[in-house]
Amino acid sequence: AQKITQTQPGMFVQEKEAVTLDCTYDTSDPSYGLFWYKQPSSGEMIFLIYQGSYDQQNATEGRYSLNFQKARKSANLVISASQLGDSAMYFCAMREVQTGANNLFFGTGTRLTVIP
Amino acid sequence: DAGITQSPRHKVTETGTPVTLRCHQTENHRYMYWYRQDPGHGLRLIHYSYGVKDTDKGEVSDGYSVSRSKTEDFLLTLESATSSQTSVYFCAITGDRGVNYGYTFGSGTRLTVV
Repeated sequence: AQKITQTQPGMFVQEKEAVTLDCTYDTSDPSYGLFWYKQPSSGEMIFLIYQGSYDQQNATEGRYSLNFQKARKSANLVISASQLGDSAMYFCAMREVQTGANNLFFGTGTRLTVIP
Repeated sequence: DAGITQSPRHKVTETGTPVTLRCHQTENHRYMYWYRQDPGHGLRLIHYSYGVKDTDKGEVSDGYSVSRSKTEDFLLTLESATSSQTSVYFCAITGDRGVNYGYTFGSGTRLTVV
């Protein structure tokens, strides 16, 4: 079974608007971490935001926030006030602490295009 | 100071030849990983290491081997390259186990097998 599912291969958003990128996960480990990475056309993996399974509040980092719904096993990324530079691939990933040998599992990604 | 470097950055090789990719870190991190990235698949784990001489297989390990003789270096070897191994390869590192420890990725190696 897929550990991380990203159902949106591509998304478009108007500049200055907000956009939500979906991510659902599957784990039986009570202790896990969820990550979002950005990969621009240059290819590097850029860490955006992290949410721990025991964190009570949703994570925020500048214009990025993570909408964490533990019961639904979803960890959607919200980008507010989109900029042209946000056009990139976005990957959701999960680490299972107890069962996963500290490995990071990725979804298939969502390509975001910001329209001027 | 990148903390993690991959070499080479680009390589073209012929089917059937051996290829070794190198990942070098200066962070003294315990865990090191090799991923491959292909369109429609995201990043998939090939092999990982949890210490010197301690390695294990990931989800797509067939056709690959690894070695880690010292903390700072993690080598990925394709014993006999095939066209299906054409991909972008990423190395990643992280510290001790714990939910909050982040990962750092190398810049990637683009490998083409012709």
